[in-house]
Amino acid sequence: QSVLTQPPSVSAAPGQRVTISCSGSNSNIGNNYVSWYQQLPGTAPKLLIYDNNKRPSGIPDRFSGSKSGTSATLGITGLQTGDEADYYCGTWDTSLSVVLFGGGTKVTVL
Amino acid sequence: EMQLVESGGGLVQPGGSLRLSCAASGFTFSNYWMHWVRQAPGKGLVWVSRIGGDGQSANYADSVKGRFTISRDNAKNTLHLQMNSLRAEDTAVYYCTRKISWGSLAVFDIWGQGTMVSVSS
Repeated sequence: QSVLTQPPSVSAAPGQRVTISCSGSNSNIGNNYVSWYQQLPGTAPKLLIYDNNKRPSGIPDRFSGSKSGTSATLGITGLQTGDEADYYCGTWDTSLSVVLFGGGTKVTVL
Repeated sequence: EMQLVESGGGLVQPGGSLRLSCAASGFTFSNYWMHWVRQAPGKGLVWVSRIGGDGQSANYADSVKGRFTISRDNAKNTLHLQMNSLRAEDTAVYYCTRKISWGSLAVFDIWGQGTMVSVSS
């Protein structure tokens, strides 16, 4: 069981919006930046969001991130079939001195 | 093009050893912290280890501490993971990944394609 808690799955119709939560504690999300990764089936993870809400070059603005206290959220608007993937949050844990990932959330486009 | 290419995975018996390698290209390898992250079949991402740019600092997940050793050869732009006393629960795809050069300690902008390690008798 991961220290960072994500819902196992979320789903929505094409064009709709989904949000994925990532819940942690003061030693990780509460005092460190959060990043988000997209993993398409059979491929390596890809950086989507870093420093809570910044997008790397090439990531569309349909993807957004936010953080409040010990929780973070990834939002995807204008959902597309190509967005079907597993999404992971990640952060540093200051007490444990380790990198933590959430358990992952599978996004399904209905 | 910035790239990471892992190699060295395979099938090994419990208690055996394996050495993974990750060849980096397209960037100044020695400037970056490098990490290993693994993913068991059908499961999520799990951090394994990290090493500083000069190779002097390293950290490990508790699950591999004392069994795995991370190292790097900056002259050859290569990252390694020596895995000893392997267990069935070490079965996973192992990814090497680059941490961004500034700030945040857990932001990984380049990933390799992964190499599969299977531990079974």
